[in-house]
This record gives sequence, C-alpha cells and structure tokens, in this order.
Amino acid sequence: DADVTQTPRNRITKTGKRIMLECSQTKGHDRMYWYRQDPGLGLRLIYYSFDVKDINKGEISDGYSVSRQAQAKFSLSLESAIPNQTALYFCATTGAPSYNEQFFGPGTRLTVL
Amino acid sequence: AQSVTQPDIHITVSEGASLELRCNYSYGATPYLFWYVQSPGQGLQLLLKYFSGDTLVQGIKGFEAEFKRSQSSFNLRKPSVHWSDAAEYFCAVGARNTGNQFYFGTGTSLTVIP
Repeated sequence: DADVTQTPRNRITKTGKRIMLECSQTKGHDRMYWYRQDPGLGLRLIYYSFDVKDINKGEISDGYSVSRQAQAKFSLSLESAIPNQTALYFCATTGAPSYNEQFFGPGTRLTVL
Repeated sequence: AQSVTQPDIHITVSEGASLELRCNYSYGATPYLFWYVQSPGQGLQLLLKYFSGDTLVQGIKGFEAEFKRSQSSFNLRKPSVHWSDAAEYFCAVGARNTGNQFYFGTGTSLTVIP
C-alpha cells in the first residue's frame, strides 16, 4: 500500500462549490504539505503543518484553508472554488530524524468549471 | 530569498544521445538537493538526492547529478537517453535540519525523438 494517499484522484466541480481534498500518510511523519502544480510554474506551496496544532501559510494560501485532523491526516479545502484553482494538487510529508526529504502522494487533478 | 532556476523550459534530444538538464539554486547555506521526474499523468518520482559527501550522485534509471558549490548548480545528466525518459523534470532544494520548506524549479520538459 502507498505510504501517502490522496482522495479523490480526480474531481470536477463547479464555480462556487466547496470542495475538500484529503491526504493520509502511514509513514509516521509529523510534517505535511500541500502544493499545487500548474504548467510552467512548477510546484508551489499552499500550506504546511509541523504538527496537529501548527498550521502555516505557504506562498499561495489565498482561497484555500487546511485542517490537520490527526498526525496522519491533512485536508485542503476550497471554500468557494473558482476556475483558476484548476490544477494538480500534491500532498507531501517529511519527518524525523532529519527531515531531509519529502515523500509525495499521487496527486489530485481538480477541474473547476 | 531561496529560489531554484531551471533555465530550459523544453529540451528535445534524439534517442541514444546524451542529456544534461540544468538547475541553479539560490540558498543561504548548502541545501539538500533533489531531482524528480513526472511522467504524463503521473505523480512525482524521486530520481536522486544530494545531502553531503561525494558531489557526484547516482540515481535511478541511469541518471546522475553533480553538485557544484562554486556555481550553485546541480545539473542532471544521462549518457544515453531512452524514449521512456520523455517526461517533466523538476529540481528542488530543501533546508537542512528544519524541513521548513522545499523549493521547486518550474520544470524542464524533455522530448525524445527516435
């Protein structure tokens, strides 16, 4: 089984709808991240969390919110989706002892019509 | 500010030819360095990583990369490209001992022609 899973893998939604993307990990890592990928822009950090009680904004947090329900779960929400949030979203984790590598989920392809 | 630059947006090579993808970084100290590959419709796969020690690192699929501190570069190379290497390649840097953030380049798209 994959160490980092994301659900759903694909989602099509309409403008104005609320949508939640979920990430779960079995690696026992304490730090989790959400990125979005757009063609020509690479991966950009949306939010990251160092533990259940720690949430930090990344480079492009506007229009997004997150919830760290447990050490193993980190959800990304779009409160009112807009078309320019159409992108590929990746969850990643890192952990002790050295926090020197991120492990990525398979990605969620989101389309906002 | 930390940043990663991949100067080549798109590269086309013939199958069997050698390949070099460029990566330059701006960082306050020696970072951790990574190369990832993304095949069409797929997630990110780690090709190789540099943490310390030998500046020439070997990765999967016959790839290697060389860390050059004086040039702030971490270029990816392969002696002989295969058609299956066609993909998007991302260079990334991470902070030592903090895990605060990892910075990604904008990617280089590789096309392999027969």
